[in-house]
Amino acid sequence: ETGVTQSPTHLIKTRGQQVTLRCSSQSGHNTVSWYQQALGQGPQFIFQYYREEENGRGNFPPRFSGLQFPNYSSELNVNALELDDSALYLCASSLGGQGAVETQYFGPGTRLLVL
Amino acid sequence: GQQLNQSPQSMFIQEGEDVSMNCTSSSIFNTWLWYKQDPGEGPVLLIALYKAGELTSNGRLTAQFGITRKDSFLNISASIPSDVGIYFCAGWGGAQKLVFGQGTRLTINP
Repeated sequence: ETGVTQSPTHLIKTRGQQVTLRCSSQSGHNTVSWYQQALGQGPQFIFQYYREEENGRGNFPPRFSGLQFPNYSSELNVNALELDDSALYLCASSLGGQGAVETQYFGPGTRLLVL
Repeated sequence: GQQLNQSPQSMFIQEGEDVSMNCTSSSIFNTWLWYKQDPGEGPVLLIALYKAGELTSNGRLTAQFGITRKDSFLNISASIPSDVGIYFCAGWGGAQKLVFGQGTRLTINP
């Protein structure tokens, strides 16, 4: 148990729809990172939030957006869903925002299927 | 997207055997990490390496940070059934971006 929770666990959407995924960080952690993990692949970095501000972004289009709240919980929003967005979405919480990669604790993920 | 080259992609071994997997990159990384992911779970950190040439152990696991900073390996000695899972290497080069390999799926025959 890492103390990081994600909801929902599974989700089915259709192409063109919008989706919101949620993450609750480990207590005391002020940084959250989101990753997309396609089937059979390693996770790919989407973006990171530190103290409610975006603090780094990977190669994902603007239709992937996020929020971090004062209690450090976080949301990942994806607009105009495409079939290739089908994947496991992982969030990871950590403390520090800069260089604290080794203390990232991953949640169990949300599996999204786009039809 | 950018990924590390991890090999082998899968391994089928007998219980008690030693395991070796490695990861290479065209880019230099400041930190190398090794994770294990079980079905339905997120990755769990096994070992973190911070200096070129560093050799670090965690129980039956040993990992090394390559001298060129472009590679790393993970060894598991005397494998047991709970070692089954997918192992990922990951490199940290800054900019809050962790880059993962494609994973090595380990299967153990009892």
